[in-house]
Amino acid sequence: KNEVEQSPQNLTAQEGEFITINCSYSVGISALHWLQQHPGGGIVSLFMLSSGKKKHGRLIATINIQEKHSSLHITASHPRDSAVYICAPSSGSARQLTFGSGTQLTVLP
Amino acid sequence: GAVVSQHPSRVICKSGTSVKIECRSLDFQATTMFWYRQFPKKSLMLMATSNEGSKATYEQGVEKDKFLINHASLTLSTLTVTSAHPEDSSFYICSVLHGGSSDTQYFGPGTRLTVL
Repeated sequence: KNEVEQSPQNLTAQEGEFITINCSYSVGISALHWLQQHPGGGIVSLFMLSSGKKKHGRLIATINIQEKHSSLHITASHPRDSAVYICAPSSGSARQLTFGSGTQLTVLP
Repeated sequence: GAVVSQHPSRVICKSGTSVKIECRSLDFQATTMFWYRQFPKKSLMLMATSNEGSKATYEQGVEKDKFLINHASLTLSTLTVTSAHPEDSSFYICSVLHGGSSDTQYFGPGTRLTVL
């Protein structure tokens, strides 16, 4: 079973700050998802990556397969970025996801 | 991204009744869908993998007779919570696996079930 640890669990930042959320996992994976969940519950897949780095707007995700570690960065954070961010490695032939406990991000204006 | 719908978005029912939740893939056909549940302030937990045309694969500890999954077509999977009890109250989310080279999962908006 894949053990997934995220840090920090809670993060409060001022608007404009650079944010980093970390994720470590215990077993080999085929890919890793970063998800965003808003208070209403809906989940959006931000990234799926299996190596290196991806960038989408102000969001950057990196992964180091050898070290079993991934990070999500948010540049120039904004109050609308406030949400729970979840790391979810994918493994197995059916690509099941194992979920981290999530990081509650609050960006203050 | 692809659109996945769930119906209903909220349901309140009495203890002992059965509730059916639908998950539809609107943009592509999907042989594999997943069902998750999420308790308040907790992360998602995989309940089962729904495979079109075959039996669902349930995770350890999930009662298959309690949570009936039917994936009758390439765009629809249903989860039926049978004889619901208050402890079944939760947020249920489905996701659709876009296979091929992407392996991306697209999530539905979720269904909040409250059993009185």
